[in-house]
Amino acid sequence: QVQLVQSGAEVKTPGSSVKLSCKASGDTFSNSGLTWVRLAPGQGLEWVGGIIPMFGTTNYAQKFRGRVTISADESTSTVFLDLRSLKSEDTAVYYCARGSVRWFDAWGQGTLVTVSS
Amino acid sequence: EIAMTQSPATLSVSPGERATLSCRASQSVRSNIAWYQQKPGQAPRLLMYGASTRATGIPARFSGSGSGTEFTLTISSLQSEDFAVYYCQQYNQWPPLTFGGGTKVEIK
Repeated sequence: QVQLVQSGAEVKTPGSSVKLSCKASGDTFSNSGLTWVRLAPGQGLEWVGGIIPMFGTTNYAQKFRGRVTISADESTSTVFLDLRSLKSEDTAVYYCARGSVRWFDAWGQGTLVTVSS
Repeated sequence: EIAMTQSPATLSVSPGERATLSCRASQSVRSNIAWYQQKPGQAPRLLMYGASTRATGIPARFSGSGSGTEFTLTISSLQSEDFAVYYCQQYNQWPPLTFGGGTKVEIK
């Protein structure tokens, strides 16, 4: 049974960058992939993007393209979310989840990112 | 991009009663939707995929139906642990994978 453990909370200033991590244990995600989803205050779930390491493919939501990179280190079973040019609207809890093109059947505990001057 | 619209935004139900949640897609997604439950401070939990297949460990009081553009999640007899926010998500056409805005099920 896969477990996903995410890095800790971050406080950032507008215009800066943040890099979050998600380490998988108990199962491989190489062929199922991993996805990042966020939940902003008062909003619903929003797909950020995903990666399938086995195929070396990434997909991103249009609104994040150009300032987001999702990468994976298969040797440590860790996936990363790099989000640049942060805005106050990026304040949210970011979740990693197993799966990339269908449903998500295992989730990390979430990482709160606060963007504030 | 396929938009998913959930209704109602808030549903007030008494314990033991039935809850019916709706999800509408802006175009056909066949049966390619999933449902999630999220409680405050917790990660979402997968309830249903393929519109009507319960995920591992999900009680039988949860059922899903629909295809095309109209979908329903039914909780046959609400338990105290079922009060939460529920999201639908389509995976028929991507990117992007899209979620509905959520339905909050609260105690009446």
